Amino acid sequence: AQSVTQPDIHITVSEGASLELRCNYSYGATPYLFWYVQSPGQGLQLLLKYFSGDTLVQGIKGFEAEFKRSQSSFNLRKPSVHWSDAAEYFCAVGSTGRRALTFGSGTRLQVQP
Amino acid sequence: DGGITQSPKYLFRKEGQNVTLSCEQNLNHDAMYWYRQDPGQGLRLIYYSQIVNDFQKGDIAEGYSVSREKKESFPLTVTSAQKNPTAFYLCASTQNTGELFFGEGSRLTVL
Repeated sequence: AQSVTQPDIHITVSEGASLELRCNYSYGATPYLFWYVQSPGQGLQLLLKYFSGDTLVQGIKGFEAEFKRSQSSFNLRKPSVHWSDAAEYFCAVGSTGRRALTFGSGTRLQVQP
Repeated sequence: DGGITQSPKYLFRKEGQNVTLSCEQNLNHDAMYWYRQDPGQGLRLIYYSQIVNDFQKGDIAEGYSVSREKKESFPLTVTSAQKNPTAFYLCASTQNTGELFFGEGSRLTVL
């Protein structure tokens, strides 16, 4: 069965600092990987996705993520965090078979001025 | 604009009552999904449907029921058999790309 682990429940960074959110997955074949962001009381918005090809993917709002097969990881990064980035971030893994994503438990990001 | 509409946004239920959450999409997507979100637990799959008149149980289907009579609609009924229904419910759809598009969610509270 596929699974996703986000080891950091809560992260606080200062505005302008760099950010890295960790995601590890468990899946037998090459996974489809996603990062979503959620503001309080809202639905989820896709930040970026990896299906195949270049292992460094660019997303919206200046985010990027790198797929590392050897480490089963898909960490999300941003070079300079803005106060508006405060939200909850979810990593997800999918497959062609089930066509339903499995989500991690999320990382809540707080941005200090 | 295309998208997914969930209603109501807030819903209160007395114990023992069934309630139905609406999910409508105009994206012409084949597959639709219901997830439940609880603090610290991420999103858990309740039911999904890949085609009209067909649906499959997800990881936490007990106490829930769905129907898929139209491509655009995938309502979720939270029955009295669901022992802990207070949660945030998210509906999503996809056109087989793997990328899910989400509605704004419905928050159900049991009084």
